[in-house]
Formats: sequence, C-alpha cells, structure tokens
Amino acid sequence: GDSVTQMEGPVTLSEEAFLTINCTYTATGYPSLFWYVQYPGEGLQLLLKATKADDKGSNKGFEATYRKETTSFHLEKGSVQVSDSAVYFCALTFGNEKLTFGTGTRLTIIP
Amino acid sequence: GAVVSQHPSRVICKSGTSVKIECRSLDFQATTMFWYRQFPKQSLMLMATSNEGSKATYEQGVEKDKFLINHASLTLSTLTVTSAHPEDSSFYICSARDWATGGTEAFFGQGTRLTVV
Repeated sequence: GDSVTQMEGPVTLSEEAFLTINCTYTATGYPSLFWYVQYPGEGLQLLLKATKADDKGSNKGFEATYRKETTSFHLEKGSVQVSDSAVYFCALTFGNEKLTFGTGTRLTIIP
Repeated sequence: GAVVSQHPSRVICKSGTSVKIECRSLDFQATTMFWYRQFPKQSLMLMATSNEGSKATYEQGVEKDKFLINHASLTLSTLTVTSAHPEDSSFYICSARDWATGGTEAFFGQGTRLTVV
C-alpha cells in the first residue's frame, strides 16, 4: 500500500539555521503531496502542497518540490525562527481521499 | 481557512467506561469527516471515514463495535470509544473537507488526548 517515510526527529536547530526535513513516499501512480504543521496544543494545519511532478509548494518561507524521479518531497527553509518549533507531517493523497501520513518530525528551534 | 473544532482536548477515564469525542465543522458543511489515531512516535492512522446520514466506513483492523461513529448532521461527527481499556489510550484527531470550495484541503481539529486508567 501507499506509505510515507519521514525523517525521524527530534530535530534541534539554532535560530537562523537552514532546515531540511526529508520525506519520501511509495505509491502507485502520482499522488498529491502535503506538509502539515502542528503547533503545540493545536490541530494540524496545511503548510504547503504540490499536486504534480516538479511543482514547488511554498508558504511562510518553507518550500518543498515534488520530485517524481526520487519520489521525494523534502521540506526546506533557509532561516528558521523560534516560532517554527512544531511537529511537521508529510502526507500524500489521491484525489480527495484519505491522507496517508509520515510519522511526524518534531522540530525545536533554540534562540 | 475553514475551522474544525474537536472536543474535549484531553480526557482521562476509567477502564471499562465509554468516552465520546466530538468533531464539528464550524463554518462549513462536511458530508464526510475522517477519524485518525496516533500512537506515540507513530504516524496518524486513519480509523474510519464518517459519512453524514449513513454508516461509517472503517479501515481494516478497526473494531466498529468498539469505536462507534455517528455523523447525524452536516457539521457534527462523534467518535465513542466504548468499554475503554488502557491500550485505547492515544491521540485521536478528526478532519473534514469543505466541498463547497473544492474539497482539496483537509482541515483538522485540535485532537483529543485520551488516557484510560
């Protein structure tokens, strides 16, 4: 079945550091790919998405590019802030069906 | 974006009792809602798809008699964990899609941390 493999955390970085959280997927066909973020005490929020190969999703300084050849959707940010501390989930879906999630990566940014 | 409200955010119950978790779409109608469960350090796993006015669709391995789902209106779905046991302790989270805007984005509730003692 479909699956998402995500970089294990926790990840701790200093403020203004460069962030990469790896995400690869296994699926038959070409799913839509998502990154969700969960801040402490809150629900999951959509961070960015890409619906086809070579699409780049971006939001709040975060970016991820849909790479069909490597079945990857790595999350990057050039300069992280303390407010970026959260749990990040990579996910895939076909059409408007259920989401398949990775395990989540807890990110902590220290001043 | 659309708002999904889940209640309660935390609940502690005694083994053998039942717990009801509510999931409401506050500013849109949701014909379909999804219930997920997350164990520590594991993925969110889909438990069931809740369909307004009809029976829920359960994923393989999920006991439908233990996890009762009711979706009686277009804005409310409930998950009842019946005869809860410590192994049911987990993080439960619901989501819904706003089909009026295409349904391409899933909106999530805040989640419910269930602890069975």
